[in-house]
Amino acid sequence: AQTVTQSQPEMSVQEAETVTLSCTYDTSESDYYLFWYKQPPSRQMILVIRQEAYKQQNATENRFSVNFQKAAKSFSLKISDSQLGDAAMYFCAYRSLNRDDKIIFGKGTRLHILP
Amino acid sequence: NAGVTQTPKFRILKIGQSMTLQCTQDMNHNYMYWYRQDPGMGLKLIYYSVGAGITDKGEVPNGYNVSRSTTEDFPLRLELAAPSQTSVYFCASSYGLTGTQYFGPGTRLLVL
Repeated sequence: AQTVTQSQPEMSVQEAETVTLSCTYDTSESDYYLFWYKQPPSRQMILVIRQEAYKQQNATENRFSVNFQKAAKSFSLKISDSQLGDAAMYFCAYRSLNRDDKIIFGKGTRLHILP
Repeated sequence: NAGVTQTPKFRILKIGQSMTLQCTQDMNHNYMYWYRQDPGMGLKLIYYSVGAGITDKGEVPNGYNVSRSTTEDFPLRLELAAPSQTSVYFCASSYGLTGTQYFGPGTRLLVL
């Protein structure tokens, strides 16, 4: 069965610095999508970035980028130039392309931004 | 576009009561989902639908029912509320299996 593990329950970073959030997953499938979602105190789930497993190139969205290591089953999120508005829970998620019901979320990492 | 809307935002239920959580999307998405988020945990899929008239179970369907009579609406029904159903419920929608999921603001449910 697929699993998603976020080993860092909480992290802190100084404003304007760079931080990396870790995510590992386990699957026997070859085709899937991976996501990072942000959940601020408002509780709204906001998509930060997504990665298709068949793409070797790492996804990038402005200050957010991923390091996708398919063989190692690792999918870390790098936030550059951290801003106060980046403070939130961050969830890593896996989506199977073979089964509609296989959407697995990690337990999340709470990110604190220190002014 | 309003995106995905959910009502109510917060509700307190007594054990054994029933209620329906409403979810509507105006993006003409065919896929819709219901998740629950327990404290300190990620989201778990309760039910999903790939189109009007089609629904299927996710990881944690027990104690819930859904229907999908239109493309826009995907209500979630709790028939006999139990304390274990205290959670935050999120509805989401996407265009197809590979489309980005858009989430509603969530409904916080407390069962006492």
